[in-house]
Amino acid sequence: NAGVTQTPKFRVLKTGQSMTLLCAQDMNHEYMYWYRQDPGMGLRLIHYSVGEGTTAKGEVPDGYNVSRLKKQNFLLGLESAAPSQTSVYFCASSKLVGRETQYFGPGTRLLVL
Amino acid sequence: DQQVKQNSPSLSVQEGRISILNCDYTNSMFDYFLWYKKYPAEGPTFLISISSIKDKNEDGRFTVFLNKSAKHLSLHIVPSQPGDSAVYFCAASEVDGNKLVFGAGTILRVKS
Repeated sequence: NAGVTQTPKFRVLKTGQSMTLLCAQDMNHEYMYWYRQDPGMGLRLIHYSVGEGTTAKGEVPDGYNVSRLKKQNFLLGLESAAPSQTSVYFCASSKLVGRETQYFGPGTRLLVL
Repeated sequence: DQQVKQNSPSLSVQEGRISILNCDYTNSMFDYFLWYKKYPAEGPTFLISISSIKDKNEDGRFTVFLNKSAKHLSLHIVPSQPGDSAVYFCAASEVDGNKLVFGAGTILRVKS
């Protein structure tokens, strides 16, 4: 039981490049989330999904897109990376809604030059 | 405008003493509160939670207190241990909410 895994662990991009971050969970959770963590800002919700085939915007969705084609996977895409997207990205999942404990992946560190 | 605020960026405590981490919130619709702990290069892990129908919840060395009138909660760690050194995030959820709102975090250092 691996829990929540994230790929890649670290990536360097040039401004304007695109990439996809992959999140996978093996706990059969319905809900999945993408956060970014920046110094002094805590964890901010980018997008989330309440089930397979669904997505919704969080607090800071601009510049990102997501897809949940399979229940166990939640993909975060950056179409045209900007230096402001340099951050640590965390994926999380929970069995049910909001107040249920969220289980986090180890994070992806992204540097946009 | 941050709805969940952790105004102390860092806290340093001697091993064996009490650590008190504070959190304030502004949204009256929040009715469930959680604390997460994060070590470097790892994802946050759930620590303890409290519902708004309670004012205290205890789990071993960790106790969370909720003061609804002041919109304030605190996490007490007694006794503090060096392994408690981490970043602590306060989070809140609205009634029927489907997401959490996190504070900026407090870095706790427990000195041996």
